[in-house]
Amino acid sequence: GNSVTQMEGPVTLSEEAFLTINCTYTATGYPSLFWYVQYPGEGLQLLLKATKADDKGSNKGFEATYRKETTSFHLEKGSVQVSDSAVYFCALSDRDSGGGADGLTFGKGTHLIIQP
Amino acid sequence: SQTIHQWPATLVQPVGSPLSLECTVEGTSNPNLYWYRQAAGRGLQLLFYSVGIGQISSEVPQNLSASRPQDRQFILSSKKLLLSDSGFYLCAWSTLLGGELFFGEGSRLTVL
Repeated sequence: GNSVTQMEGPVTLSEEAFLTINCTYTATGYPSLFWYVQYPGEGLQLLLKATKADDKGSNKGFEATYRKETTSFHLEKGSVQVSDSAVYFCALSDRDSGGGADGLTFGKGTHLIIQP
Repeated sequence: SQTIHQWPATLVQPVGSPLSLECTVEGTSNPNLYWYRQAAGRGLQLLFYSVGIGQISSEVPQNLSASRPQDRQFILSSKKLLLSDSGFYLCAWSTLLGGELFFGEGSRLTVL
């Protein structure tokens, strides 16, 4: 079956530090990959996505590249801010497995804390 | 543009009482609809999904149920709540098979 593995944290960094949150996946087909962000007390917001190998998704200074050879989709940001403190979820959708309507497979989330 | 709303935002209920959480989507037709639960460990658990009116698929057997009486309305219910039902419930929609999900604001349920 499909699965997503990501570091759970909490990950604590100082403002302006470089961020990497690792995400690896297992899928039977050719999935689309996503990063979601959840601020305290809120729902999940789509941060970025990539639909095929070597695609790079980017938004708000965050980037992630779909690496089929390493089955990874690591999230990076060059200089984090206090406002980036949130929980980040990596997710996949595997249409080729025939189960495209049954939602995404999520990792357990990584709690990111940015200190001033 | 499309929007999704769910309510109530916060709910405190005694054990054994009923539950009804409602979710509506605007600005799109025939969406796929989902209920997820996020427990204290922060992971997301898919509870139900629906590809059309009256069509409900359950991912986890439990004392919760879902209904879709209208195209853009999705309801999560329980006849008798358990302590373990406490959590943050998220409604979501998608239009493309295998595409991204768009989430509502969430409903925080505390069962005492």
